[in-house]
Amino acid sequence: AQTVTQSQPEMSVQEAETVTLSCTYDTSENNYYLFWYKQPPSRQMILVIRQEAYKQQNATENRFSVNFQKAAKSFSLKISDSQLGDTAMYFCAFMKRNMEYGNKLVFGAGTILRVKS
Amino acid sequence: EPEVTQTPSHQVTQMGQEVILRCVPISNHLYFYWYRQILGQKVEFLVSFYNNEISEKSEIFDDQFSVERPDGSNFTLKIRSTKLEDSAMYFCASSAWFLNSPLHFGNGTRLTVT
Repeated sequence: AQTVTQSQPEMSVQEAETVTLSCTYDTSENNYYLFWYKQPPSRQMILVIRQEAYKQQNATENRFSVNFQKAAKSFSLKISDSQLGDTAMYFCAFMKRNMEYGNKLVFGAGTILRVKS
Repeated sequence: EPEVTQTPSHQVTQMGQEVILRCVPISNHLYFYWYRQILGQKVEFLVSFYNNEISEKSEIFDDQFSVERPDGSNFTLKIRSTKLEDSAMYFCASSAWFLNSPLHFGNGTRLTVT
């Protein structure tokens, strides 16, 4: 079974600064996908960024980028130029390639990020 | 952008009552899911549904739970006899047919069992 670990329960960052959220995972699969989801106080789950395991290039999405280290099974999220609206719970999630069962996500416990003005 | 919609946003029920949580997935998606998040805890997988049948379920999804796609648009989660520990946020999600299709989540239904 896959597990996802987020070792930072809470983090703070000053507005406009950069912050990195950590995530490690455990799997015996070779083909899989990794995601970061954001959950603001409204409790909605919003996709931030995704990474295919077979791609060596790290994914970027505007101010959000990842550092994917497949051998180390590490998938950290970097947020540049932090904004107050980035305040949220951030979940790292793992998805196995499986056409038969659909794209089931396994989530980490989450990291609360607070952006301070 | 199309989105997953869930109703109601908040449901309060008494222990032992049946509840039905409703979801309208994105129209061209083929896979449907329910997840649960107990307050302060991680998001947990309950069940996935494809081609009008359950494709996978977790150990949380016991005989009390059932899912249904009664028509071409709705996807429901029924809890037959609610318990206090069923109080949680329930998220519906859907994904498209291709392998790396991300899950798109609804805004959730907060279920409170008293």
